[in-house]
Amino acid sequence: QKEVEQNSGPLSVPEGAIASLNCTYSDRGSQSFFWYRQYSGKSPELIMFIYSNGDKEDGRFTAQLNKASQYVSLLIRDSQPSDSATYLCAVKATGRRALTFGSGTRLQVQP
Amino acid sequence: GAVVSQHPSWVICKSGTSVKIECRSLDFQATTMFWYRQFPKQSLMLMATSNEGSKATYEQGVEKDKFLINHASLTLSTLTVTSAHPEDSSFYICSATPPQVLLPYEQYFGPGTRLTVT
Repeated sequence: QKEVEQNSGPLSVPEGAIASLNCTYSDRGSQSFFWYRQYSGKSPELIMFIYSNGDKEDGRFTAQLNKASQYVSLLIRDSQPSDSATYLCAVKATGRRALTFGSGTRLQVQP
Repeated sequence: GAVVSQHPSWVICKSGTSVKIECRSLDFQATTMFWYRQFPKQSLMLMATSNEGSKATYEQGVEKDKFLINHASLTLSTLTVTSAHPEDSSFYICSATPPQVLLPYEQYFGPGTRLTVT
């Protein structure tokens, strides 16, 4: 079992729709959870982090965390073509300083 | 936000030569930096954790004699790929975490260095 799992996609949504990206993790003691956006040929860019159960909103982005289900999600409202990228879920697991990354979900927003 | 730079942004070298990549935290001190490698269409794979003033901690399967890491100051870590081979061609990315004692321990990434070994 991978430590952090994501559906590779591509996830295709029309412009203006809500994109929902999901991530599960195996270490129940994980403390912090991150969503990064990575455009092709570029390095990851931090979008949001969350470490408490529930929802956290920042502009068009909402991160949701359910530690009991070991599940993290990212919602992107009013999706734009510029949101088309690979979204990486990252987890800070117990006893590790480095983050563990999922394989990423490729999002395509159709104009 | 925290800014991390890398140099060079891309490099082409011949097989058998060595290449040094620099990672700098520009507006904060980073006692710990991380080096990742990313092959096309794959996720980031942690290579090593670079600790200021001490030896790096390498992930399983990463050759420490091939990938030399030096963390000489609180703002600079270097990765040297020694005796490079074509299979070392990849996108190398460093990251750093600002000093803090509370969550969330976010990491900020440098822009990456694309290495091509011919």
